[in-house]
Amino acid sequence: AQSVAQPEDQVNVAEGNPLTVKCTYSVSGNPYLFWYVQYPNRGLQFLLKYITGDNLVKGSYGFEAEFNKSQTSFHLKKPSALVSDSALYFCAVRDVTGFQKLVFGTGTRLLVSP
Amino acid sequence: DAGITQSPRHKVTETGTPVTLRCHQTENHRYMYWYRQDPGHGLRLIHYSYGVKDTDKGEVSDGYSVSRSKTEDFLLTLESATSSQTSVYFCAISDRNQETQYFGPGTRLLVL
Repeated sequence: AQSVAQPEDQVNVAEGNPLTVKCTYSVSGNPYLFWYVQYPNRGLQFLLKYITGDNLVKGSYGFEAEFNKSQTSFHLKKPSALVSDSALYFCAVRDVTGFQKLVFGTGTRLLVSP
Repeated sequence: DAGITQSPRHKVTETGTPVTLRCHQTENHRYMYWYRQDPGHGLRLIHYSYGVKDTDKGEVSDGYSVSRSKTEDFLLTLESATSSQTSVYFCAISDRNQETQYFGPGTRLLVL
């Protein structure tokens, strides 16, 4: 069965500093990996995905994520955090075989302080 | 949220009453999904549809039913609402390749 772990409930970072939001996954085959962001009282917005190819994936709003197959990780990163990046971030995984059910992590709240 | 609307956006109801939530898309995508979001659980799949009249259960389908009579509409029905179904419900859609799911704005449901 597929699963995703986001080990940190909350990440605190100062504006201008680099940020990392961690995600590890488990699938039986090759993974499709996604990051979504949720702002208060809004739906989830797609940030980026890894399907195949380059292990470093660039997405919206300056975010990027690095796929590491040996460590089964897909950490979200940004070189310089903004206060407006404060939100809830979800990692999700889908197995490429069978029906494409998306399994979400429990979410990590990112708080960027001025 | 572009191309996906959910109605109502907020609803308060009483235990034991039926409730229907609607998801409407203008993207003509084949796949539609219903999730619920609860603290500590992330998003969990309730039901999904892979075409008109084609639906299947997700991981938390008990107490819920769905219908899809048109490509653009996917209805979620709580047959007899319970307090444990108080949650935020999200609809999502994905295209033929099913690679990326796009989410609606959500419906906040309170069952008293």
